Amino acid sequence: NAGVTQTPKFQVLKTGQSMTLQCAQDMNHEYMSWYRQDPGMGLRLIHYSVGAGITDQGEVPNGYNVSRSTTEDFPLRLLSAAPSQTSVYFCAIWDIAGNTIYFGEGSWLTVV
Amino acid sequence: EDQVTQSPEALRLQEGESSSLNCSYTVSGLRGLFWYRQDPGKGPEFLFTLYSAGEEKEKERLKATLTKKESFLHITAPKPEDSATYLCAVRAGGTSYGKLTFGQGTILTVHP
Repeated sequence: NAGVTQTPKFQVLKTGQSMTLQCAQDMNHEYMSWYRQDPGMGLRLIHYSVGAGITDQGEVPNGYNVSRSTTEDFPLRLLSAAPSQTSVYFCAIWDIAGNTIYFGEGSWLTVV
Repeated sequence: EDQVTQSPEALRLQEGESSSLNCSYTVSGLRGLFWYRQDPGKGPEFLFTLYSAGEEKEKERLKATLTKKESFLHITAPKPEDSATYLCAVRAGGTSYGKLTFGQGTILTVHP
């Protein structure tokens, strides 16, 4: 997984609760992204970052916040969880040298 | 709008029975077409990146090819361990690193 670590692996939330999915990398990659994967929908980009202090929205950003205070960490925050946010979340880094994206192992989130 | 369509949705093969998976795409200025393999409960694993029509890449029993409108992932003499979901994605011209558009995937099952 190219040094991409996601925590937690599994989480159950109640509607309205907040939480943060953590993503850390140890390879000093500038570009990091968050995707969600839903049955029949494929992987969809939530937010991405091109470096510390710089973030931007992807295809499905509503309900999520991100920040990038360091190169190593790119947390994804759910401010008020909704059942529609039940999904599998993947953090990814872009390896410029290899010119491809490498994904973490995923975080399974259920909102009840 | 960039679009990626994969077919078939699911494919069942007998061990040794060669076949191909299809990825049709519509994108403004292709900057790369990517193939990934995903095992249940895991993050997508990078396989190939293709950049221009006519390009081919191989890895063990897999060969990826690219035309101006589609890509094929050819599987020669598959084994049960090739069973997985295969994902196709594109990066459009003018987009930042880390912004890929994914297809819905093809679920491949290889029976012994």
